[in-house]
Amino acid sequence: EVQLVESGGGLVQPGGSLRLSCAASGFTFSSYDMHWVRQATGKGLEWVSAIGTAGDTYYPGSVKGRFTISRENAKNSLYLQMNSLRAGDTAVYYCARASGASDAFDIWGQGTMVTVSS
Amino acid sequence: QSALTQPPSASGSPGQSVTISCTGTSSDVGGYNYVSWYQQHPGKAPKLMIYEVSKRPSGVPDRFSGSKSGNTASLTVSGLQAEDEADYYCSSYAGSNNFYVVFGGGTKLTVL
Repeated sequence: EVQLVESGGGLVQPGGSLRLSCAASGFTFSSYDMHWVRQATGKGLEWVSAIGTAGDTYYPGSVKGRFTISRENAKNSLYLQMNSLRAGDTAVYYCARASGASDAFDIWGQGTMVTVSS
Repeated sequence: QSALTQPPSASGSPGQSVTISCTGTSSDVGGYNYVSWYQQHPGKAPKLMIYEVSKRPSGVPDRFSGSKSGNTASLTVSGLQAEDEADYYCSSYAGSNNFYVVFGGGTKLTVL
């Protein structure tokens, strides 16, 4: 079964750090671009970061310089290192597999909750 | 980069058709045939319904269709069913030099 499972969420103080993980199974992980997408409670989806099969990375301005996406193909794992966290980063974080020429997100994890609060 | 613009809500009766719009710019929706649509039920992860403007992944009913004209993409749900009630989000590729991916604000579809 093709599956993504996130972990690592939790409560962190403003200015703190957290590392999210996403374990992939059921497909050739190294062959796919991977993304992180977040959703604040009651709000819409927000793209957070992407990593290509060659390790190229992309970020929106809201997280650039604070978040780092990485992958470890030997472990079928995706990571998101989040530093200098702010209250506005509070959200459910999903990892997603991108497929096809358009990088449509065809497989999503169940999400992991990150709460930034003192 | 601003989010794509979707109406906050849409509704229709069972069996009817409803269309949800998604308006962007020439830098995203209008510039690429890379619009996707996602369905999200409460408490669940999003599910891909349409990709590359009008293509359906395996398993998605053909009641769901997509199209694009200029800077506006549309999702049409025909033959509405109770289980179609959900939030729907559009997204578009926006070029690797800027925002790589941009989402719409979401549309709550209610089946009356």
